Amino acid sequence: QVQVQQSGPGLVKPSQTLSLTCAISGDSVSGNSVVWNWIRQSPSRGLEWLGRTYYRSKWYNDYAVSVKSRITINPDTSKNQFSLQLNSVTPEDTAVYFCARGSRDGYNYWAFDIWGQGTMVTVSP
Amino acid sequence: QSALTQPPSASGSPGQSVTISCTGSSSDVGGYNYVSWYQQHPGKAPKLMIYEVNKRPSGVPDRFSGSKSGNTASLTVSGLQAEDEADYYCSSYAGSNNLVFGGGTKLTVL
Repeated sequence: QVQVQQSGPGLVKPSQTLSLTCAISGDSVSGNSVVWNWIRQSPSRGLEWLGRTYYRSKWYNDYAVSVKSRITINPDTSKNQFSLQLNSVTPEDTAVYFCARGSRDGYNYWAFDIWGQGTMVTVSP
Repeated sequence: QSALTQPPSASGSPGQSVTISCTGSSSDVGGYNYVSWYQQHPGKAPKLMIYEVNKRPSGVPDRFSGSKSGNTASLTVSGLQAEDEADYYCSSYAGSNNLVFGGGTKLTVL
């Protein structure tokens, strides 16, 4: 059974970096038929896809235009997890952040069948 | 402002059917068959209910169905049950390795 478990601080100061981790069990961060995503949800912006990482003989990343200049998603194969870093945060980045899997096996890369529990991140002094 | 437009609310009595729309453009909903629907209960993560417009993951009741016409996708819940009360979100691939979501619809079972 595939599960993902998120971790990271719930409070970040403005202008600093938001960092979250998503640990994977039952699947591999470097699997050839999966992609690993970060999504956030806020009352003002709704659900917003932020980006993804995946391995196809080498590592690839795709990022949403809205955060492209500030975001980094990195895999960690030694720990079978991936992380989100969002730089120069403002109060508008306050949201619940989710990690999620897209899988070609049975679905497609843009349908997310496994989700983390969500992490509420508040950007405040 | 979300890229895909959903009605803020929908409602129906137990046993009835309700349809939720999701309107985009030819660059997303109308251009690809990668439309998904998610159910979200308060405080929980979204759950995949429909993918590729009209396919149901294993374990999702066949009371849930999806369709698409032009730039508008729809989710129909038939035989409404109390546990169907939740927020529902659509998403669509939008080209250039980008995904967009709808603003969500709160479904109330009367």
